[in-house]
Amino acid sequence: NAGVTQTPKFRILKIGQSMTLQCTQDMNHNYMYWYRQDPGMGLKLIYYSVGAGITDKGEVPNGYNVSRSTTEDFPLRLELAAPSQTSVYFCASSYGGLLEKLFFGSGTQLSVL
Amino acid sequence: GENVEQHPSTLSVQEGDSAVIKCTYSDSASNYFPWYKQELGKGPQLIIDIRSNVGEKKDQRIAVTLNKTAKHFSLHITETQPEDSAVYFCAASKGTGGGADGLTFGKGTHLIIQP
Repeated sequence: NAGVTQTPKFRILKIGQSMTLQCTQDMNHNYMYWYRQDPGMGLKLIYYSVGAGITDKGEVPNGYNVSRSTTEDFPLRLELAAPSQTSVYFCASSYGGLLEKLFFGSGTQLSVL
Repeated sequence: GENVEQHPSTLSVQEGDSAVIKCTYSDSASNYFPWYKQELGKGPQLIIDIRSNVGEKKDQRIAVTLNKTAKHFSLHITETQPEDSAVYFCAASKGTGGGADGLTFGKGTHLIIQP
């Protein structure tokens, strides 16, 4: 049982480049989330999805886009990368929303130089 | 929106002693309070949670207490062990089903267990 799988684990981007962070879960969870974690800070919600075909903005969505074509996959797209997007990104899923246990992936450490 | 304050930012205790981490929240509508443990290089993992209709919950060496009147909740770890060393995050949720104001995290506490 893999749980939540994120790829890649590490990535260095140049300013202005684009990339997609991949996230897939095999628990048949309806809810999926993308968080970013900056040093000494808590996790901030970027985007979330309550089911295939439905996405919505979180607290810090600027500079990112998401899609949810299947229950399993929830990729995060960075367009025109900026140094402010240097962070650790976590994908998470849950069965029943934010009153339930979140299952997190192991994270993607992204540096924009 | 909700604001969650967590203290201390770093806590060092001797192995075998107890550790207490405290959080306060601002929105009286919050009704779900989970605690996550993050080990180095890994994603956060839920260790215990409490809902607003309960004042205390215990799971072996870990306990959480909630004071809704004062809007604060605490994590208690007894008989600490080296594997308890990690960063701990508290969070508060109104349970709106995934909205932007649904789950707010504290900034984390780095717990260090001294041998």
